[in-house]
Amino acid sequence: GENVEQHPSTLSVQEGDSAVIKCTYSDSASNYFPWYKQELGKRPQLIIDIRSNVGEKKDQRIAVTLNKTAKHFSLHITETQPEDSAVYFCAARAYSGAGSYQLTFGKGTKLSVIP
Amino acid sequence: DGGITQSPKYLFRKEGQNVTLSCEQNLNHDAMYWYRQDPGQGLRLIYYSQIVNDFQKGDIAEGYSVSREKKESFPLTVTSAQKNPTAFYLCASSRQHSGYTFGSGTRLTVV
Repeated sequence: GENVEQHPSTLSVQEGDSAVIKCTYSDSASNYFPWYKQELGKRPQLIIDIRSNVGEKKDQRIAVTLNKTAKHFSLHITETQPEDSAVYFCAARAYSGAGSYQLTFGKGTKLSVIP
Repeated sequence: DGGITQSPKYLFRKEGQNVTLSCEQNLNHDAMYWYRQDPGQGLRLIYYSQIVNDFQKGDIAEGYSVSREKKESFPLTVTSAQKNPTAFYLCASSRQHSGYTFGSGTRLTVV
């Protein structure tokens, strides 16, 4: 099955600096890569996603890049703000048999933005 | 709650007791999932269901059971066979080729 590795597990940045979180995946057939943000005690919320036919996608201060050859994808947050502090999860979708697909999640990165 | 509702928000289980966590969605999604979240462990898949009356085990299904009698509902039962059930449980739903929408979670504690 799919395996997703996420680094770093914790990340501290000064307000206004950039943050980068990296993930690698094992199944070359994976074709969809979402990123989720989870604030303390709350549910994960989809913040951005990318499909395998695209190399980069940007939405205001956040962007995701995908390198299919190397099987890795990254989340970039620019001009970080205290409200960006949360746990971020990457995921990869692969075929899981019997006509179904499912997401495999990384273990998460706890981002702290220091005012 | 964005179309997917979990209840209760907090649940306490005594030793040897079965408890059931509710998950209901009105998004007309075919697929539904249950995840367990422990600190530092990320999201681990317990069970998932692609269509009504069908479900498959995930990575950590032992000690859990589910049913999918209606498209909108996917309840999870934590049985007495689950020796360490204290965790945050998340339900999610999705269309076939889209990301997941998560519920707000149930925090289960053994007392």
